[in-house]
Amino acid sequence: QQPVQSPQAVILREGEDAVINCSSSKALYSVHWYRQKHGEAPVFLMILLKGGEQKGHEKISASFNEKKQQSSLYLTASQLSYSGTYFCGPNAYSGAGSYQLTFGKGTKLSVIP
Amino acid sequence: DAGITQSPRYKITETGRQVTLMCHQTWSHSYMFWYRQDLGHGLRLIYYSAAADITDKGEVPDGYVVSRSKTENFPLTLESATRSQTSVYFCASSESGTMSQPQHFGDGTRLSIL
Repeated sequence: QQPVQSPQAVILREGEDAVINCSSSKALYSVHWYRQKHGEAPVFLMILLKGGEQKGHEKISASFNEKKQQSSLYLTASQLSYSGTYFCGPNAYSGAGSYQLTFGKGTKLSVIP
Repeated sequence: DAGITQSPRYKITETGRQVTLMCHQTWSHSYMFWYRQDLGHGLRLIYYSAAADITDKGEVPDGYVVSRSKTENFPLTLESATRSQTSVYFCASSESGTMSQPQHFGDGTRLSIL
């Protein structure tokens, strides 16, 4: 079952902030975040492990609340280069000692001048 | 150059034909994955492999076959292509289990089935 991302799309002006949320129905061990620009491959941003830690990448940070099975991605002072589709990938135990990512449908972020 | 490469980048074929998409990585990563990406669905896992000769189904495996005889290669075969398999296919690799290691994606194969 795919995690739910919200919002589905957002338009920002340069310098504005945004939050992208990701909710899963499964118990999670970690959450991955990726960004995909149009016509390109998804690119890894960060992984958050159990423990509620926050991580950062440039002016992009994220949090992970394993009790609520949720993660949020925070984009601060957005730049034109932040435009793209953001995917969360909650990582749940799938049996037989393996873990599986199930990606959300994505959040399309457009940053305009 | 080191990395993960997919071939072909673009493919057009007809329904009922067999088509194989290739994926090659030079990192010696244990795990490899095949995803399809369709509008409104995001990335959906087709098959994955934890090591050579070990493969397992993902979310949408029907109509696809995979093999992994060598660590570096993970081909995906559509045995009898259908129009519903028109999609962008991404291969990815990961150093170990996905819990704490990122996935690295190839550039994708755009497959159209007429």
